[in-house]
Parts: sequence; C-alpha cells; structure tokens
Amino acid sequence: QLQLQESGPGLVKPSETLSLTCTVSGDSFSSNTYYWGWIRQPPGKGLEWIGSFHYSGNTYHNPSLKSRVTISADTSKNQVSLKLNSVTAADTAIYYCARQMEGATTDYWGQGTLVTVSS
Amino acid sequence: QSALTQPRSVSGSPGQSVTISCTGASSDVGGYNYVSWYQQHPGKAPKLMIYDVTKRPSGVPDRFSGSKSYNTASLTISGLQAEDEADYYCCSYAGSYTVVVFGGGTKLTVL
Repeated sequence: QLQLQESGPGLVKPSETLSLTCTVSGDSFSSNTYYWGWIRQPPGKGLEWIGSFHYSGNTYHNPSLKSRVTISADTSKNQVSLKLNSVTAADTAIYYCARQMEGATTDYWGQGTLVTVSS
Repeated sequence: QSALTQPRSVSGSPGQSVTISCTGASSDVGGYNYVSWYQQHPGKAPKLMIYDVTKRPSGVPDRFSGSKSYNTASLTISGLQAEDEADYYCCSYAGSYTVVVFGGGTKLTVL
C-alpha cells in the first residue's frame, strides 16, 4: 500500500523559507511512470499545484510560483522535498505530497501538513 | 482566481442526479483528454474520482461519470447519496509550461 508522509515545520516566519519533505513508502519511487509532486490548499480555499519531480531528474513548476520554488529528491531515501522562499501570509496552507501520472492526474495524496506563516 | 471555472455550489436530493461543470480553454480542458475530478470531505485529503475525462479508478462507484465537450468538462453523479456531500475539484493538464490547473471547487449539498 503506497503511503506518502509529509514532514516539516508547522510555523514559518514571513520572508523565511518553507521546507517540507515527503517520504514515499510501499511503492517504487524510481518508476518512470509517476511524478512526485506538491499541491497546496489555503484554509477554506481551493487546490493549487506547486510543482512535480520525475525520476528522470526533470522538475516542473507552477509558473506563478516558479521563482520561489525548489523541488528536489533524494532517491536513495525515497524522498521528495519542497522549498518555498520569501514566504508571506498568503503561503499559509495545507501542503499535500502527491503521486501524479501522465496528464496531471493525482492518484495518491498524503494526509497533508498545515504550514502557517506568521511572526 | 482559478484557471478553471466551476460553480460555487450545487445541490440535489437523494436519488437525484447532479452535474458539475468545469470550464477552461483550448489550452487546457479543450486541448487534451486529461481532465480529472477529485472529491474532498472536510478535513480529508482529496480523492481521485475520474481521470482522463471519463475513466473511473477501481473502487469508485459507477454513479460517478465524466464527460467533455470542447472547453467544458462535466462530472455527473447519479443516484445521489448522503455521503456524496463534499467539495469537488476539476483539474486539467495544460501543456508543458503551465502543466497543471485546478478549478476553484464546487460544494455539493445533498438535501
């Protein structure tokens, strides 16, 4: 059974960098079939795709966030990481780790982790 | 403002059918057969209900169906049940630059 577990600080100060890690278990992280991505949801609002990593090393980003986002992976640990710099209160959201297929379909989601940006 | 437009809310009585629309553009919904739909109950992660416009993952009831016409995709839920009350989001592939776009979400109320 595939499991995705997000981890990282729940509180980040404005202007600092948000850092999250997703650990994937129960499936092959190295499969060429899937992308490992991040999706966020501000409280009470809709979903926003942040970006995705493919085992080939390619990364893909939401153009509106691209300048602030770094997505990387440690394939030896089956982990994908998200860094979002220069955060503001607008970045407060539940951050989901997700497995995606060709065509942007997200078939597995982590439970999500709430990150609050506040001083 | 979301890239894909969904009605804020829809409602129906148990046993009835409801349809949720998702309007995009030729650069996303209209350009690819890669529309997916997600159900989200309060406090839970979204769940995939439909992918590639019309396909249902294993375990999703056949009461859920998807379709597309030009730049508008639709999710139809027939034989409404109380447990269908949730938020529903559409999503589309949008090419190699934008890649993924979501709708703003629709709250389904089962009366």
